[in-house]
Amino acid sequence: DTAVSQTPKYLVTQMGNDKSIKCEQNLGHDTMYWYKQDSKKFLKIMFSYNNKELIINETVPNRFSPKSPDKAHLNLHINSLELGDSAVYFCASSQVSSGANYEQYFGPGTRLTVT
Amino acid sequence: AQSVTQLGSHVSVSEGALVLLRCNYSSSVPPYLFWYVQYPNQGLQLLLKYTSAATLVKGINGFEAEFKKSETSFHLTKPSAHMSDAAEYFCAVSGSSNTGKLIFGQGTTLQVKP
Repeated sequence: DTAVSQTPKYLVTQMGNDKSIKCEQNLGHDTMYWYKQDSKKFLKIMFSYNNKELIINETVPNRFSPKSPDKAHLNLHINSLELGDSAVYFCASSQVSSGANYEQYFGPGTRLTVT
Repeated sequence: AQSVTQLGSHVSVSEGALVLLRCNYSSSVPPYLFWYVQYPNQGLQLLLKYTSAATLVKGINGFEAEFKKSETSFHLTKPSAHMSDAAEYFCAVSGSSNTGKLIFGQGTTLQVKP
């Protein structure tokens, strides 16, 4: 069984469109994250949810909106896509509430290409 | 604020040679430190982690890292490189809040030459 899964794996779309990426984890973790990896492979956190509550909201354009219907799912919706949104988006999860060591498990990534 | 610096964006070694990837951190609180590996077109996989127990940490695939507080370092080593070790390696430090936030270094590309 895949621990953290993302769909789709590849997403090619035109500027101005709206798209969503979905993430699911079956590890029973209480916290999920979205990261953006740019063309230079730099990883930056975007959002994090703990038990469906937003706990990290980095400096991200308002066009990006995360949603967590339950603690096993975290989706990312992007409005009015721009060329600069092209990147690989990673979902991750961890167990934070137990005071654990914040080890995160990553999904396979979604490569978004905006043309 | 916490930060991570990985010295050397590209490291090239011959197969069978020692692998040394450098990571220095900055943290105002006792840190948790991690090394992740990313193979081409894949997600990140945890290699090893330091959580204030033993300072020498052993991970998967023969990798290990040593936490040195005095040097604020957490360098990754492997005695003998394999071709399959060619990948991107990321050092990360846990954030100072209780959010589990990880701060990543810029990554080091490891090339292994036959």
